[in-house]
Amino acid sequence: DADVTQTPRNRITKTGKRIMLECSQTKGHDRMYWYRQDPGLGLRLIYYSFDVKDINKGEISDGYSVSRQAQAKFSLSLESAIPNQTALYFCATSDTDRTEAFFGQGTRLTVV
Amino acid sequence: DAKTTQPPSMDCAEGRAANLPCNHSTISGNEYVYWYRQIHSQGPQYIIHGLKNNETNEMASLIITEDRKSSTLILPHATLRDTAVYYCIVRVGRVAITQTGANNLFFGTGTRLTVIP
Repeated sequence: DADVTQTPRNRITKTGKRIMLECSQTKGHDRMYWYRQDPGLGLRLIYYSFDVKDINKGEISDGYSVSRQAQAKFSLSLESAIPNQTALYFCATSDTDRTEAFFGQGTRLTVV
Repeated sequence: DAKTTQPPSMDCAEGRAANLPCNHSTISGNEYVYWYRQIHSQGPQYIIHGLKNNETNEMASLIITEDRKSSTLILPHATLRDTAVYYCIVRVGRVAITQTGANNLFFGTGTRLTVIP
């Protein structure tokens, strides 16, 4: 089983719809992250959470919200999806400041 | 976190060493250098990291210059499966629980390495 699991893996949704991307991890780590990736732009940080009670905005948080339901679960929501939120989304987790991050396999979201 | 500069693309012959450079001239004393790679739309994969000493693991070696303003990731015997985008990241460890902006992984656009048969 994967250390970091994202669901769904692919999703097509209509403009204005609410959608939630889910992430769960089995590493037992406190830190979790959501990134989006667009062609030619690398990965950009949307939100990050250092523990269940500590959630912070990243570089591009506008239009997104998150929920840390438990240490192992970190979900990303688009309250009203728009076409420029079409991207590949990655969830990640890490243990401490100086250890590696583990990434999920990504969710490909298309907003039409 | 310090900004990094990498060449957009590189080629390497299969079986040869791949040397991927990274400039991080504004790196601070407490910032680590991390390398990740991403194979075609999969999740990024950790490779190696270091502070000031050279590091080696089963995947690669990391050479950091004495002034720490640049580093090189070395894949000693590149294979076709090493074709990927390689990201160099510098990252500070968080000091206090209330400190903001730290301990993020800021990815740039990376270097696209193509291993040629």
